[in-house]
Amino acid sequence: GQQVMQIPQYQHVQEGEDFTTYCNSSTTLSNIQWYKQRPGGHPVFLIQLVKSGEVKKQKRLTFQFGEAKKNSSLHITATQTTDVGTYFCAANSNSGYALNFGKGTSLLVTP
Amino acid sequence: EAQVTQNPRYLITVTGKKLTVTCSQNMNHEYMSWYRQDPGLGLRQIYYSMNVEVTDKGDVPEGYKVSRKEKRNFPLILESPSPNQTSLYFCASRDSRTGMGRAFFGQGTRLTVV
Repeated sequence: GQQVMQIPQYQHVQEGEDFTTYCNSSTTLSNIQWYKQRPGGHPVFLIQLVKSGEVKKQKRLTFQFGEAKKNSSLHITATQTTDVGTYFCAANSNSGYALNFGKGTSLLVTP
Repeated sequence: EAQVTQNPRYLITVTGKKLTVTCSQNMNHEYMSWYRQDPGLGLRQIYYSMNVEVTDKGDVPEGYKVSRKEKRNFPLILESPSPNQTSLYFCASRDSRTGMGRAFFGQGTRLTVV
């Protein structure tokens, strides 16, 4: 079942504000992936984190993997309307390589 | 171009009429999976397959069947659809040899059962 909990479920920000979504697990993860789904689209891979304490950046997006590899976050600096969508974290299941997704955070950005 | 292809994109059907949603990938991935997406519930896994002739239940398998006779294809079968199976369905594949592969998703199938 779903082993990663994601919060918040929804976030509404004004353009230019920052945004953060969090992903938490009760068990140590081997790695975590992040995906973005635009409205009407399908999930698209953004990034993967593997190492404890890892931080990766993609332009205005910053991804972090916790020291204990049980949590992760995605932070967007100065949101733009193009950031609108649902952001999912995903982790391998306990039993093998099946990929389980968090429930996602839907981001709405108003100009 | 690496892709996962689902068909159809949209489908309206009546309760009890068997249907199949096809999924095909061209990346030689061992792992394929079906998800359904409903508002507030995120992506829930229906079935997955680690390789040909190997399938396993996900979180919400009731009312669905799958088969994996060939590596590239992973059809989703609804033997007797019911209105509670109205949803957005996604097929995905990934290279699972290391557990690190990214998932590639199809475009989605929006199913309405009346």
